[in-house]
Formats: sequence, structure tokens, C-alpha cells
Amino acid sequence: DTAVSQTPKYLVTQMGNDKSIKCEQNLGHDTMYWYKQDSKKFLKIMFSYNNKELIINETVPNRFSPKSPDKAHLNLHINSLELGDSAVYFCASAAGGNQPQHFGDGTRLSIL
Amino acid sequence: DQQVKQNSPSLSVQEGRISILNCDYTNSMFDYFLWYKKYPAEGPTFLISISSIKDKNEDGRFTVFLNKSAKHLSLHIVPSQPGDSAVYFCAASAGSNTGKLIFGQGTTLQVKP
Repeated sequence: DTAVSQTPKYLVTQMGNDKSIKCEQNLGHDTMYWYKQDSKKFLKIMFSYNNKELIINETVPNRFSPKSPDKAHLNLHINSLELGDSAVYFCASAAGGNQPQHFGDGTRLSIL
Repeated sequence: DQQVKQNSPSLSVQEGRISILNCDYTNSMFDYFLWYKKYPAEGPTFLISISSIKDKNEDGRFTVFLNKSAKHLSLHIVPSQPGDSAVYFCAASAGSNTGKLIFGQGTTLQVKP
């Protein structure tokens, strides 16, 4: 029974397209996160929501828009995809601030 | 500016021996540190954490040591097992309740049978 699930696992698309990645957690956690792992393997936080409220918004282009319809879901919508958006995107959730985060298996986004 | 650094990209040890993974940080405001393990095509899995009020935390075969004056932490795995072969990330946060983690770039551990 997957705790944090992301869909799709792989996403191949062309420059300029708009795409969404979905994330759901069944752990009852209040806080959810989006991370980007680039080609150098650094994991960098992008956004965080606590109970549907945005609490972290790093320096991310405004083409990226997170949406949290409820505290179990945090989706990531990306407009006008660029080559540099190619990366693995990880969703995570936690019970609270300094609690360990549980990660999904990632979505590998490839821009042609 | 990388605030959390893992300077060894890879480490290879023999099964049964000790594995020591190192991590350095620059931000003196960090007060909570974690280690994650990651297998290929999977997300990172939480392993062990330590608060800055402690200098050691142990959980089974895994022990994390924190040296605040040197801004250094290490993960010891004893004894190492082939199933421990993975990428290990250290991460740190700076006292906020947001859970914002800064990750190192990871160290690939290979445990040889």
C-alpha cells in the first residue's frame, strides 16, 4: 500500500507544452513538498504546503504552479516547458515541520 | 552556494566491515540533520536523524555522529551488508517549522559480498 504516490512515473513531452504531475499521500500528513533533482543529482526543494496553505516557495519560475485541493494531494503544473525543466521531480509528505519526510518514487520528466 | 556537502561521490567497502559516510555543512543555523538512503528508481527513504542538542544517535546498525564545532556529521553502518548498497544523502534544516531541507549531493555506497 503505497504511502506517497506520484503519477506519471515517466513523462516525455515537447518544449512549450503544459503538463501536470500528481501526488497523493495516505499517511494523514499535514505537510507536502515538491523537490527537483537535477542532472547533478542535487535534491532541491521547490514548494511546500501545510494543510492546503503554501508555506515554502523557493526561487522557482512562475511557470511552475503547485495546487493542493486537500491536504492529501499536492499537484504540480508546469506551463511552457523548457529543456532545463528536464529532471526527476519528487513529492514528499511529513507529519510536521521537523518530522522525517516520506518521498514518492519520483517522476522523470524529459523535454524533447 | 552549496550549504551541505558530501565530498565523496562514492565509497566501496567489504561486507561485514564498517561504512563511514561523511557530510559537511556551512550554515551554523542548521539544528536538525537527517540521513536518507535511495535505491535506483525509488524515492529517498528516511534512515536516521539527529538534533543539534545531541552528538550521537544510534538505531540498530546505523549511528550518526554530529560535531558542531567542525560542522561535520557522519553516518556509520556496522556491519555493512550488500543490501546497504545505495545512494546516501545527508540533509539539514534550520530550526523552522516548515521542514525546509537542504540536501547534499549524495554518496554512492557499494558493499561487496
